[in-house]
Amino acid sequence: DAKTTQPTSMDCAEGRAANLPCNHSTISGNEYVYWYRQIHSQGPQYIIHGLKNNETNEMASLIITEDRKSSTLILPHATLRDTAVYYCIVRLLSGGTALIFGKGTTLSVSS
Amino acid sequence: NAGVTQTPKFRVLKTGQSMTLLCAQDMNHEYMYWYRQDPGMGLRLIHYSVGEGTTAKGEVPDGYNVSRLKKQNFLLGLESAAPSQTSVYFCASSYSLAQSYEQYFGPGTRLTVT
Repeated sequence: DAKTTQPTSMDCAEGRAANLPCNHSTISGNEYVYWYRQIHSQGPQYIIHGLKNNETNEMASLIITEDRKSSTLILPHATLRDTAVYYCIVRLLSGGTALIFGKGTTLSVSS
Repeated sequence: NAGVTQTPKFRVLKTGQSMTLLCAQDMNHEYMYWYRQDPGMGLRLIHYSVGEGTTAKGEVPDGYNVSRLKKQNFLLGLESAAPSQTSVYFCASSYSLAQSYEQYFGPGTRLTVT
């Protein structure tokens, strides 16, 4: 699986959009970009995933650059409950493979 | 649905003792995983299973054994606990369909080995 690079930490004001970047310059053509988050002391939670098109669901939007070497997770209206560690993971679409978690980005949302 | 549950939630062991962590899922998922998470670190895969009766090693399998006798259960065993196995253990499961393979995680088991 391709390696990812994320900033260690980010801050965001409540109600504003949180934009979390991820670099994955060695991604291969059949690898997907996944985002998970982990709220303190809880198990990780799936957010969204995509291959090359931008994706949106009820939680977030995922913007993948045309060359697929980087992506951005967007939380459109961050709340205090969005404070968590966010993990960007690149992997093949295969159920038998593990998620390789790096250290992620700690997002702190403040009022 | 309860999703993914883990038993116990907390445990303190002495060095050399053994124990089994139980993971159960009620979503009829084919795949199940055991991860560990140490302070300030991401999750690391210990073992996983792609179906009932099958298991495979992950990134950090030493000191652990697993069994998947029933589809809904995945057991993680520590035969002789060591202080280095102090960690938070997360179980996860996922579908086998080629859609998203998103993994659903349990709440974790906090294990301390003294």
